[in-house]
Amino acid sequence: DQQVKQNSPSLSVQEGRISILNCDYTNSMFDYFLWYKKYPAEGPTFLISISSIKDKNEDGRFTVFLNKSAKHLSLHIVPSQPGDSAVYFCAARTYSSNYKLTFGKGTLLTVNP
Amino acid sequence: DVKVTQSSRYLVKRTGEKVFLECVQDMDHENMFWYRQDPGLGLRLIYFSYDVKMKEKGDIPEGYSVSREKKERFSLILESASTNQTSMYLCASSPNLRTSGFFTDTQYFGPGTRLTVL
Repeated sequence: DQQVKQNSPSLSVQEGRISILNCDYTNSMFDYFLWYKKYPAEGPTFLISISSIKDKNEDGRFTVFLNKSAKHLSLHIVPSQPGDSAVYFCAARTYSSNYKLTFGKGTLLTVNP
Repeated sequence: DVKVTQSSRYLVKRTGEKVFLECVQDMDHENMFWYRQDPGLGLRLIYFSYDVKMKEKGDIPEGYSVSREKKERFSLILESASTNQTSMYLCASSPNLRTSGFFTDTQYFGPGTRLTVL
């Protein structure tokens, strides 16, 4: 049973436009959410996170939105740059999960010059 | 800057061999993790450790074991490698932080080991 779902395997946008990556979850006990970026042949790197007491968190060009009632979160990248081309993983954890993260399958973002 | 290193970037082994994957972190993190990444399946947790000599099974522990004798080092062991264990293996570590009642520890990943079992 997949608890964290990224339904779009890939997304292509033009440089300078907004990229929106989506993530849905089924476990209502999740209370902390993270986005990771992964380039080929490298390990994932942490991008941004949000706790369930917030509905928005911003860091430079990256903003994460959380809609708890819909069990949905999204990552907005504005403006998109070619260097943002990577696989993006959504991850979630519960308060009592003993440090475990549950990851989605990832979305490959391609930003075209 | 957090540094997580893995002993090999690429490894080729034969079916039935015993395989050791080593991971070292230099930030005194309490928690360490082993994942495998496969196309279309994302990252799946194999084992994790929250303290020296402590370990817990993740989602796919079958065919693997782990060892954590020192805080900075976490080893993944394939007792008898099989072809379905061909994968990218990722090690991660995280501190044990709590902010506002939430665990906010971020996991920091190593570069990965691409293991091929022939």
